Amino acid sequence: QKEVEQNSGPLSVPEGAIASLNCTYSDRGSQSFFWYRQYSGKSPELIMFIYSNGDKEDGRFTAQLNKASQYVSLLIRDSQPSDSATYLCAVWPGNQFYFGTGTSLTVIP
Amino acid sequence: EADIYQTPRYLVIGTGKKITLECSQTMGHDKMYWYQQDPGMELHLIHYSYGVNSTEKGDLSSESTVSRIRTEHFPLTLESARPSHTSQYLCASSRGADQTQYFGPGTRLLVL
Repeated sequence: QKEVEQNSGPLSVPEGAIASLNCTYSDRGSQSFFWYRQYSGKSPELIMFIYSNGDKEDGRFTAQLNKASQYVSLLIRDSQPSDSATYLCAVWPGNQFYFGTGTSLTVIP
Repeated sequence: EADIYQTPRYLVIGTGKKITLECSQTMGHDKMYWYQQDPGMELHLIHYSYGVNSTEKGDLSSESTVSRIRTEHFPLTLESARPSHTSQYLCASSRGADQTQYFGPGTRLLVL
């Protein structure tokens, strides 16, 4: 079983819509959860992180964490073509990061 | 803006050659990491360091070695390159208890 699971997609949404990206993790002791965005051929860049159950909002991005269900999600409101990228979920169980394979998002103008 | 640098950005080399991938950061971060990423696949941790003279192997079995003689510098060496080493290598760093990792631009390696 992989430490972090993501639906690889591709996920396509029209411009202006809400994109919903999901991630599950296996280690119940995980404390920190991160979302990175990776454009094709580029390195990952941090979008946001979340430590506590519930929602955390940053601009058009909202991270949601449910530790009981071992589930973390990222919502992108008012999606823009520039949001088209692969989104990586990363989990910190306490010793090292584990990354998912990423979900490819395409925002259609 | 992350100040973490990797050289070379692209490298094509023959089997059996020794290569060193360079990584430097100017942020004073104590922790540094090397990841390997194949297209469409997750990042795999191959080495990490929590400070000078401290290095550990990650989950991915690797024929590479690292050193951390200076805080800002974390080179990765392949003693004898093989075609199976063809991949993208990403260096990252973080500070103290903050797990946020900042990535360098990556090195794309092709071993013929």
